[in-house]
Amino acid sequence: EAQVTQNPRYLITVTGKKLTVTCSQNMNHEYMSWYRQDPGLGLRQIYYSMNVEVTDKGDVPEGYKVSRKEKRNFPLILESPSPNQTSLYFCASRGDASPSYEQYFGPGTRLTVT
Amino acid sequence: DAKTTQPTSMDCAEGRAANLPCNHSTISGNEYVYWYRQIHSQGPQYIIHGLKNNETNEMASLIITEDRKSSTLILPHATLRDTAVYYCIVRVLNQAGTALIFGKGTTLSVSS
Repeated sequence: EAQVTQNPRYLITVTGKKLTVTCSQNMNHEYMSWYRQDPGLGLRQIYYSMNVEVTDKGDVPEGYKVSRKEKRNFPLILESPSPNQTSLYFCASRGDASPSYEQYFGPGTRLTVT
Repeated sequence: DAKTTQPTSMDCAEGRAANLPCNHSTISGNEYVYWYRQIHSQGPQYIIHGLKNNETNEMASLIITEDRKSSTLILPHATLRDTAVYYCIVRVLNQAGTALIFGKGTTLSVSS
C-alpha cells in the first residue's frame, strides 16, 4: 500500500530536549516536505526537499532542521524544542512524474512541548 | 498563488449532493484549481484538480465557471465519512517549492 508514515504519532516532551520525528514514504517520490498545523493559522510549510541531499526552507523554518540522506526518509529534527513548537505536524510527498500535483500526507504527529 | 474564498461551514444530509463553492476571482491563466480535504486531525487528502474543463473522478466532480473565477466541488452522494474540512487551492502546476497554501477551508457536516 502506498503510504507516508510518521513516528511517533504522539509525543510529549520538555523544553530543550532534542527530538526527531521520522517520515518515510514507499512511493519512490522525489519531493518531500514538512508542515505544521495550528488553530487559526492553517498548514504552514517548514522545510521541503526536492531530492536526496537537496533541502530548502519553507515559510516557518526557525527552530527546525531536516536531512535527506535517503530518498524514502525525511526526518524533522528539533534541536532544542520550545513550547511554541507545540503543534500538529504533517509530512507529505509527491513524485516528480505526477502531473496532478497530488501530494500524499502522513497521518500526523501531535507534539506537545512543556 | 491566487487567493480563494470559501464559506466557513456547510451542512448536508446524508445521501444528498454536497456542493462546495470557491471563489478565486484573481486566478491567473496558468493556475489550476485543487481541492483537498482533511478529516479531523488526519493528513489532508487530495480530491481533484482542474484547469478549465469540468473534471470527475471516483470521489467528486469539479465544475469551473467559464471565466474561471469560481468553482464548485460536488460530492454526489455525501456520507457521514465525508464530514471534513474542504480546502480549495489555486496554484501553478509544478511551481518550484511546491508548498500548498491551505486557507481556512469549508467545514462540511454531513448528518443522517
